[in-house]
Amino acid sequence: DTAVSQTPKYLVTQMGNDKSIKCEQNLGHDTMYWYKQDSKKFLKIMFSYNNKELIINETVPNRFSPKSPDKAHLNLHINSLELGDSAVYFCASSQQGNKDEQYFGPGTRLTVT
Amino acid sequence: LAKTTQPISMDSYEGQEVNITCSHNNIATNDYITWYQQFPSQGPRFIIQGYKTKVTNEVASLFIPADRKSSTLSLPRVSLSDTAVYYCLVGLGISGGYNKLIFGAGTRLAVHP
Repeated sequence: DTAVSQTPKYLVTQMGNDKSIKCEQNLGHDTMYWYKQDSKKFLKIMFSYNNKELIINETVPNRFSPKSPDKAHLNLHINSLELGDSAVYFCASSQQGNKDEQYFGPGTRLTVT
Repeated sequence: LAKTTQPISMDSYEGQEVNITCSHNNIATNDYITWYQQFPSQGPRFIIQGYKTKVTNEVASLFIPADRKSSTLSLPRVSLSDTAVYYCLVGLGISGGYNKLIFGAGTRLAVHP
């Protein structure tokens, strides 16, 4: 029973391409997040949605566009991929009001060549 | 947001107790202290959270002195499977009323046979 799932797990693509990463949670949580973990292992939040509404939008290039068709899904679409986009992207979810306990997915390793 | 400082790495042996201390001198009155664990190729996992004194669950204990300027995560009788990166987080980093986790560099714990 996977709580937070992401697809694909690995994604290798060339510069300039457009790609999407999907995320789904079956925990019934209200809030979902996208994080980026770079080669130095720093985790940084990118976006957060609550009930399909964008609530956190960090300084992220507008090539990154999250989309939430319903509160159980938060997909990440990336246009015109660049070498610097190579990283591991984690999706997470939490229940509103539950202070810092977020549930993370397994991650998607994106490699841009 | 309160900044945290923790050792970059620690080594231990199976069966020992491991204590990881985190400094957060600028912690605010409303801030909670939260610890996450991350195994290689996995997303972070919530371990424990506390506000003051001591909190214990089935995985770890969290000790917080009265001034709350530091905290210590205690892992009893570690095993090889406890080898991971441990993150100390302080501050809700609230944006628009919702939680925004700010991860630092973490402590890389290596447990040896």
